[in-house]
Amino acid sequence: EAGVTQSPTHLIKTRGQQVTLRCSPISGHTSVYWYQQALGLGLQFLLWYDEGEERNRGNFPPRFSGRQFPNYSSELNVNALELEDSALYLCASTKEGLAEETQYFGPGTRLLVL
Amino acid sequence: GEDVEQSLFLSVREGDSSVINCTYTDSSSTYLYWYKQEPGAGLQLLTYIFSNMDMKQDQRLTVLLNKKDKHLSLRIADTQTGDSAIYFCAEYSGGGADGLTFGKGTHLIIQP
Repeated sequence: EAGVTQSPTHLIKTRGQQVTLRCSPISGHTSVYWYQQALGLGLQFLLWYDEGEERNRGNFPPRFSGRQFPNYSSELNVNALELEDSALYLCASTKEGLAEETQYFGPGTRLLVL
Repeated sequence: GEDVEQSLFLSVREGDSSVINCTYTDSSSTYLYWYKQEPGAGLQLLTYIFSNMDMKQDQRLTVLLNKKDKHLSLRIADTQTGDSAIYFCAEYSGGGADGLTFGKGTHLIIQP
């Protein structure tokens, strides 16, 4: 069974640009979570999508947004990039009723903003 | 809000046991997890424990949970060089709303 996949693996952007990151969950998983792992800040919850709807978002500004498609894949969009957006962006998938409600993570997209 | 604390570094000799500790504040935590992150990689789920358990063993890994003190530990027996990584403790309160709350991670350093 294929795991969670993310693309691209690495990205370099400049301040003010916009970026789109993609995530494909494990087959059968309907929930996708996005996390930001910035240096010195640990992993922080960004967004939660379930069954195509945004269910909750963490303490991030509105320029962080996303969506979930009918096939449960997801995109994370970041507008007006700032230097402090440089981080590893991790996507995780799970499904309601999954034992232990375990989240399985993808390899991440490393974003560098110059 | 909820908080999860871990020490930043742990150094052990190859072959010894490693014990990584974690404390959390959310008394409604239902599941607690240990994830491993190798350099440049995503997070790999190592093991988890439900809050009504106090111990779980899985091969070289032993998880101990003291719910009264809100203390979680991960013991790795016979530590090998391949165990060198960052280990994250995470808690989940159910309902999905806020995702997992992670500690900042413990860097496990293996000395030959």
